[in-house]
Amino acid sequence: NAGVTQTPKFRILKIGQSMTLQCTQDMNHNYMYWYRQDPGMGLKLIYYSVGAGITDKGEVPNGYNVSRSTTEDFPLRLELAAPSQTSVYFCASSLDAREGSSYNSPLHFGNGTRLTVT
Amino acid sequence: KNEVEQSPQNLTAQEGEFITINCSYSVGISALHWLQQHPGGGIVSLFMLSSGKKKHGRLIATINIQEKHSSLHITASHPRDSAVYICAVRSQGAQKLVFGQGTRLTINP
Repeated sequence: NAGVTQTPKFRILKIGQSMTLQCTQDMNHNYMYWYRQDPGMGLKLIYYSVGAGITDKGEVPNGYNVSRSTTEDFPLRLELAAPSQTSVYFCASSLDAREGSSYNSPLHFGNGTRLTVT
Repeated sequence: KNEVEQSPQNLTAQEGEFITINCSYSVGISALHWLQQHPGGGIVSLFMLSSGKKKHGRLIATINIQEKHSSLHITASHPRDSAVYICAVRSQGAQKLVFGQGTRLTINP
């Protein structure tokens, strides 16, 4: 019962460095999401994916890239880290069907990655 | 104006009190979610509803589609209920959720 697993839990980056936040789920969910949460703010969608090979931008995609080569994995890449990317990042997944009642299925969240860019 | 507004932003109460957190939204929705974020940061889905009322233990969620409003109630509140409670809505036809800013609840013993 691993659910959604995110790594690492914490990371400190210098400006200009790059890193990949890993996210994997074992529930065979087709939808996966990356959110960032800034202090005192609501969750903001960075990117999402509706299935393997398909990704789309959310509200705040600039400075990030994603890929979805398998159903299980949805890594988030920061190429040139900036202080504005200091945040807590959450990966989530859900089983959203295109039809039927499971279209609105609950979200399952990872435990988050706290990233500081200095 | 945000699409999803929660009130209050902060709420402090004594153990045993009845708690109500409100969520108002401005768009037609296909579903509304209530989430709980613990002090350690983890986020758990509490309810997903599109009409009526749902109950789980001491938690009750209601939604009024006509008034575009939902409430989360906690009966017999306990210090372990201290957390941030987040409302999120999925607009009709959309694949994404829009989140409220959260309500920080503190229950004192």
